[in-house]
Amino acid sequence: QSALTQSRSVSGSPGQSVTISCTGTSSDVGSYNYVSWYQQHPGKAPKLIIYNVSQRPSGVPDRFSGSKSGKTASLTISGLQTEDEADYSCCSYAGRSTWVFGGGTKLTVL
Amino acid sequence: QVQLVESGGGVVQPGGSLRLSCAASGFTFSGYAMHWVRQAPGKGLEWVAFIPYTGSNTYYADSVKGRFTISRDNSKNTLYLQMNSLRVEDTAVYSCAKGLDIAAAGFDYWGLGTLVTVSS
Repeated sequence: QSALTQSRSVSGSPGQSVTISCTGTSSDVGSYNYVSWYQQHPGKAPKLIIYNVSQRPSGVPDRFSGSKSGKTASLTISGLQTEDEADYSCCSYAGRSTWVFGGGTKLTVL
Repeated sequence: QVQLVESGGGVVQPGGSLRLSCAASGFTFSGYAMHWVRQAPGKGLEWVAFIPYTGSNTYYADSVKGRFTISRDNSKNTLYLQMNSLRVEDTAVYSCAKGLDIAAAGFDYWGLGTLVTVSS
């Protein structure tokens, strides 16, 4: 149950696009299309923004998109807005009713 | 609207025990899997435990297996986490999270969490 690998931080200017990657193993990301992404603002509860690799819950803007290739999942945020500044965490189902998270990526909107 | 409210956190000595509760409202609690997830200070999220909607089986992260017990009372719309043999490294904010319709897909609602501090 090793954590998925995310870069610690990423930054972008308003209107730009950023991509956050999440690398796992053949036992988690590489085996299941159950990758989800969470946005967390300071002092707030995490919010689901992507599930099943690329599905958006109702109410999440289409500026947020997800994808997966092999053992690496990615979250792309286009048309960056100041309110997108937050921590973003990926999560993958890892089989046998267990899940594994990434270490989180801090997005700074310059 | 869905609400998850955790309680029961506090300061405990190493080796001690604590029981967390999560009061759920705004959805049919008995119809969904539930999880506990924790976040240590300055660290990422860590999945801790899972219980299906029936409560028939329970599953744990290796780091807490044998020490923590997840349970639910569907008549009270409440999720629990019994934590025994606590270690300093268990210090974290513990949050309950509601599973998606397909449990493997992740967690769609989270509580704000309750802080557990293990310290002598």
